[in-house]
Amino acid sequence: AQKVTQAQTEISVVEKEDVTLDCVYETRDTTYYLFWYKQPPSGELVFLIRRNSFDEQNEISGRYSWNFQKSTSSFNFTITASQVVDSAVYFCALRRGSTLGRLYFGRGTQLTVWP
Amino acid sequence: NAGVTQTPKFQVLKTGQSMTLQCAQDMNHNSMYWYRQDPGMGLRLIYYSASEGTTDKGEVPNGYNVSRLNKREFSLRLESAAPSQTSVYFCASDARIRLARDSPLHFGNGTRLTVT
Repeated sequence: AQKVTQAQTEISVVEKEDVTLDCVYETRDTTYYLFWYKQPPSGELVFLIRRNSFDEQNEISGRYSWNFQKSTSSFNFTITASQVVDSAVYFCALRRGSTLGRLYFGRGTQLTVWP
Repeated sequence: NAGVTQTPKFQVLKTGQSMTLQCAQDMNHNSMYWYRQDPGMGLRLIYYSASEGTTDKGEVPNGYNVSRLNKREFSLRLESAAPSQTSVYFCASDARIRLARDSPLHFGNGTRLTVT
């Protein structure tokens, strides 16, 4: 069975702080894909990143970085120097080995960044 | 360049009423999905259609029916709405991933449904 756990329900930080959102996943597949989505207060789902199971290289995109560790089945997301506009619900998701098919979502982490 | 279009955006129903949520995509995708989002629960799959003419249950199918009318359209029907079906509903269609920056799913903007 596939499962994604985001243990942090809510996180509050003050602007310019760094914040890490945790994601732990479970799958027996050897090939799989991991994703992060952002859902701002307006409600749409914004794709942030995809990572393949065979590529453990960490990625940085501006203030965002992702740490993928297969040994701990984790795919954590860090925002450096957070801004008020980062306030949103963030979802981690898993897709099985095929490039098509459903996504299994975590329950999401509500991030609030205070000015 | 519409992508995935859901209608309506908002709806209020009384318990026992029926309604159909419409979804259409113009990207020639084979697979389509209906998810519901509830506070603290993430997105849960209701039904999906891997290809035209096929539909399958997801995690939470009870109280819903779906129709894959053609390749473009995938509708979700509530035959007798219940307050437990108050939720935000997202339709999505599948994209073939070519680039790392591509999202695997194209989501509609959601339908906010309230059942009183």
